Amino acid sequence: GQQLNQSPQSMFIQEGEDVSMNCTSSSIFNTWLWYKQDPGEGPVLLIALYKAGELTSNGRLTAQFGITRKDSFLNISASIPSDVGIYFCAGLDLMGSSNTGKLIFGQGTTLQVKP
Amino acid sequence: NAGVTQTPKFRILKIGQSMTLQCTQDMNHNYMYWYRQDPGMGLKLIYYSVGAGITDKGEVPNGYNVSRSTTEDFPLRLELAAPSQTSVYFCASSYRGKHGYTFGSGTRLTVV
Repeated sequence: GQQLNQSPQSMFIQEGEDVSMNCTSSSIFNTWLWYKQDPGEGPVLLIALYKAGELTSNGRLTAQFGITRKDSFLNISASIPSDVGIYFCAGLDLMGSSNTGKLIFGQGTTLQVKP
Repeated sequence: NAGVTQTPKFRILKIGQSMTLQCTQDMNHNYMYWYRQDPGMGLKLIYYSVGAGITDKGEVPNGYNVSRSTTEDFPLRLELAAPSQTSVYFCASSYRGKHGYTFGSGTRLTVV
């Protein structure tokens, strides 16, 4: 089946540093999404991308939809301790003609921030 | 606004026992999903539903069953629990699959 390769698997950074993570796929997606999961909670949507080449920001977060439609990246600038968590990329499944809305998720990037 | 509500939050089952994980949403979303999350493995789709009375298998459906009698509720049934079903289970909903999902806070299940 479709898979997303997300990297890096984990990051341990100093507060104030910038962070970059990315996802690649062997398949084309028409929507890329980035989620954050805090410990003991469900994932929460950070950014949604709908067009190839689209660059979208949400505060200190910036994400881009790759022009090949097979990749996306997420940047976090000037990290703070509350950025700690697991970040997931997800692509909207385009298989078949029916829209089932099924998302394919990356394996996640665990971010730790040292104050 | 409650969003997606999952119960229970934690549960320990013995091998061979059965249980139902409850999920309800109040956003009038027609699409609902069940995922399981294992460490380092991301989220795997178990079952999904695009409307009341319609369900379909995801990537890892074995050992699970679902029903969707109403738009709001999408319970997940485990029959004959096995240690391999130890995981964190998330229910999610969306409006026609667009704009991503709203997730519940999860059910942490341990089978011993």
